[in-house]
Amino acid sequence: GENVEQHPSTLSVQEGDSAVIKCTYSDSASNYFPWYKQELGKRPQLIIDIRSNVGEKKDQRIAVTLNKTAKHFSLHITETQPEDSAVYFCVRGDSSNTGKLIFGQGTTLQVKP
Amino acid sequence: DSGVTQTPKHLITATGQRVTLRCSPRSGDLSVYWYQQSLDQGLQFLIQYYNGEERAKGNILERFSAQQFPDLHSELNLSSLELGDSALYFCASSPTDRASRGYTFGSGTRLTVV
Repeated sequence: GENVEQHPSTLSVQEGDSAVIKCTYSDSASNYFPWYKQELGKRPQLIIDIRSNVGEKKDQRIAVTLNKTAKHFSLHITETQPEDSAVYFCVRGDSSNTGKLIFGQGTTLQVKP
Repeated sequence: DSGVTQTPKHLITATGQRVTLRCSPRSGDLSVYWYQQSLDQGLQFLIQYYNGEERAKGNILERFSAQQFPDLHSELNLSSLELGDSALYFCASSPTDRASRGYTFGSGTRLTVV
């Protein structure tokens, strides 16, 4: 179907630990996969994105991996800090020629100091 | 400030009423998108306009309608409001008709239907 499945729904880690969020999708024609961070009551903000011709991308403490064959992608945050606490959404760009984004249900990450 | 402006920030109205949400895209962006976020949910795509024309439609209710004006600002009209329409409504804009890094969200309008 169209949906993006995201796990876990909640994640609690100690400061300095790593956090991993995993997502799966079914539309093999999708080729754009952004990740958004949303703090409570605020707008979603793009933190990193990856296109289907790339298997992995890293930006400081954040990395994303994409397995297009298995149709899953993951977000890895290393050395977590309390300010990383937020809701994280995995997203796929619709495979039709539009700008529609399809969001996962979100993962609430809590980083305990 | 993302450059995408949404008004009003908050709206409280009664069931059965009609409201209009307004969005001004970031300067230079041609696409405007509307999303609905209900409590503790992900964002649900409603509709996309590109340079004044409807480009994509999601699961938007028939009670909802939108348009994009010649100056590229957009309005989302919600009518015959029900309690379940209470949500955060986000507008986003992007330079082209496709999803890309330039996709930016506004701060949202929180609609409460009582």
